Amino acid sequence: GAVVSQHPSWVICKSGTSVKIECRSLDFQATTMFWYRQFPKQSLMLMATSNEGSKATYEQGVEKDKFLINHASLTLSTLTVTSAHPEDSSFYICSALEEGGNQPQHFGDGTRLSIL
Amino acid sequence: AQKVTQAQTEISVVEKEDVTLDCVYETRDTTYYLFWYKQPPSGELVFLIRRNSFDEQNEISGRYSWNFQKSTSSFNFTITASQVVDSAVYFCALSEFPGTALIFGKGTTLSVSS
Repeated sequence: GAVVSQHPSWVICKSGTSVKIECRSLDFQATTMFWYRQFPKQSLMLMATSNEGSKATYEQGVEKDKFLINHASLTLSTLTVTSAHPEDSSFYICSALEEGGNQPQHFGDGTRLSIL
Repeated sequence: AQKVTQAQTEISVVEKEDVTLDCVYETRDTTYYLFWYKQPPSGELVFLIRRNSFDEQNEISGRYSWNFQKSTSSFNFTITASQVVDSAVYFCALSEFPGTALIFGKGTTLSVSS
């Protein structure tokens, strides 16, 4: 079945550091990828929609200058949390849609980000 | 506006009990998709089922079954003869079109004790 690899799975870093998270579709091409965020004991909330070759679309309240998304190829999208602060600590999870746009989305295993 | 409501925050059962997780959704579209995902403590999302709005047939997969009722905008999930390994957070989700992001409910934490 379709596999989405998300890396790293766990990051601990100091406040002010920038962190890059990769989301890679291993056996299919994904024109669209989504980035979700999940705070402890809460639901998953969409942060942004990433389309290959174009600018990402951010949800209301998500700072695009802080959460940089790049979808430079049909198999890779990256989320960079710039100048991370403790309040950015969360579980970030990506999903990818196969070309053709049919559901279901394939989710990565998520990245736990802890900012000290 | 789209919305998914999972009114049950936490459920605790003893092994072998049956348990039903409720999901109520809101959407103005006639075409939409409903999903259930399981999130174990390790965090990954495990896909359980997808149902489109035109298919109201109930589905059974092993100990899992789903009841889709358009008349009440509900898509409930039943686990029969629950097991400890079923302990997880379960999310119901909605998407209005193929290729759009999912709107998740707040999740129901299921704890199954032996």
